[in-house]
Amino acid sequence: GEDVEQSLFLSVREGDSSVINCTYTDSSSTYLYWYKQEPGAGLQLLTYIFSNMDMKQDQRLTVLLNKKDKHLSLRIADTQTGDSAIYFCAESLIMDSNYQLIWGAGTKLIIKP
Amino acid sequence: DTGVSQDPRHKITKRGQNVTFRCDPISEHNRLYWYRQTLGQGPEFLTYFQNEAQLEKSRLLSDRFSAERPKGSFSTLEIQRTEQGDSAMYLCASSLRLAGSSYNEQFFGPGTRLTVL
Repeated sequence: GEDVEQSLFLSVREGDSSVINCTYTDSSSTYLYWYKQEPGAGLQLLTYIFSNMDMKQDQRLTVLLNKKDKHLSLRIADTQTGDSAIYFCAESLIMDSNYQLIWGAGTKLIIKP
Repeated sequence: DTGVSQDPRHKITKRGQNVTFRCDPISEHNRLYWYRQTLGQGPEFLTYFQNEAQLEKSRLLSDRFSAERPKGSFSTLEIQRTEQGDSAMYLCASSLRLAGSSYNEQFFGPGTRLTVL
């Protein structure tokens, strides 16, 4: 079956880079997404990558996709206190002729001063 | 348009009572999703609509849960005879599904937090 796994916590110092990792099991993924969830707020799409790409950069965010290892990562450069949140990885799959999102459990990013 | 809205934001109820939540999606979006999220977990898919048609319902979903989207705009999620295990955050999301595209960016509302005593 399909499954998406992430580490539950990541702690980094302010100003350092954060790297959040995600592994998935279904090689038929079309798009892979990173969502951010701040306390009391809804899930917000941060960035996404299409499955035929291996890298995407958007300002401080870099997404790397290794299809062979089914590994996705999100790098946040110059991590700031405002980056404190839970980050969810999700893959888009075709299930029963419909596109569904399969979600990881989320990685809580903790920023140390 | 200010995004996806949900009402109420919080609901406390006693076990055995029925509750109903409302979701107003982004107006031009044709798809609407309901998820449930518990602490330390990602969103768990419940059901989704394309326009007014309910296209899929999670096989894990109890018959006590029902959702409607009568005019293809807002949606309601009803839980009958609530149980303590139903306590969770209920999230609504909407998206614009274009024919021939597999891109599926979902825009989420703030959620309704349900506490069953």
